[in-house]
Amino acid sequence: EAQVTQNPRYLITVTGKKLTVTCSQNMNHEYMSWYRQDPGLGLRQIYYSMNVEVTDKGDVPEGYKVSRKEKRNFPLILESPSPNQTSLYFCASRRNSGANVLTFGAGSRLTVL
Amino acid sequence: RKEVEQDPGPFNVPEGATVAFNCTYSNSASQSFFWYRQDCRKEPKLLMSVYSSGNEDGRFTAQLNRASQYISLLIRDSKLSDSATYLCVVLRGNNDMRFGAGTRLTVKP
Repeated sequence: EAQVTQNPRYLITVTGKKLTVTCSQNMNHEYMSWYRQDPGLGLRQIYYSMNVEVTDKGDVPEGYKVSRKEKRNFPLILESPSPNQTSLYFCASRRNSGANVLTFGAGSRLTVL
Repeated sequence: RKEVEQDPGPFNVPEGATVAFNCTYSNSASQSFFWYRQDCRKEPKLLMSVYSSGNEDGRFTAQLNRASQYISLLIRDSKLSDSATYLCVVLRGNNDMRFGAGTRLTVKP
């Protein structure tokens, strides 16, 4: 089944404790992206990657890092999480050409205490 | 001002009703337009793309007015299963995809 898989789905952590949210897609998509969703603000892009070894900042990159060493994986790293990073996070992927339709992962709900 | 604006709702309608959602976007360079559906605590999923000439998919009709920078979604004969949040999405260039905050719809028996 074509899908985007995120882990963990739920996480409660404390300020300053480094964490990684993994994202993997099996559709051979070139493009991958991370979003956070907060009430009233909609989805905001954190980082994106047009292909392997190519990453760029989105609208809200502060406090996050990413890497794209393989086509299928695009982990999101919070080096020193803070409470304002409590949010619902979505990873998504699509082809670079064609219909530009994003396929989303199921989401990761992160709480930073 | 947000780049993509939607009425947040909620829209509460009875089964069988027709309901319309509107979305405005501020950047005239926007090229592609979509409606996504998001169920509570789930990921967004594509409902339909929006084409310049307007397009229909069963009970759903999407329209685009580039001059007014306005997109609409019409749902006819609402079903209970249509209850969800509807996201307006606008794409500029190769990556710049902007999401509205969503319009919440509840269809009641």
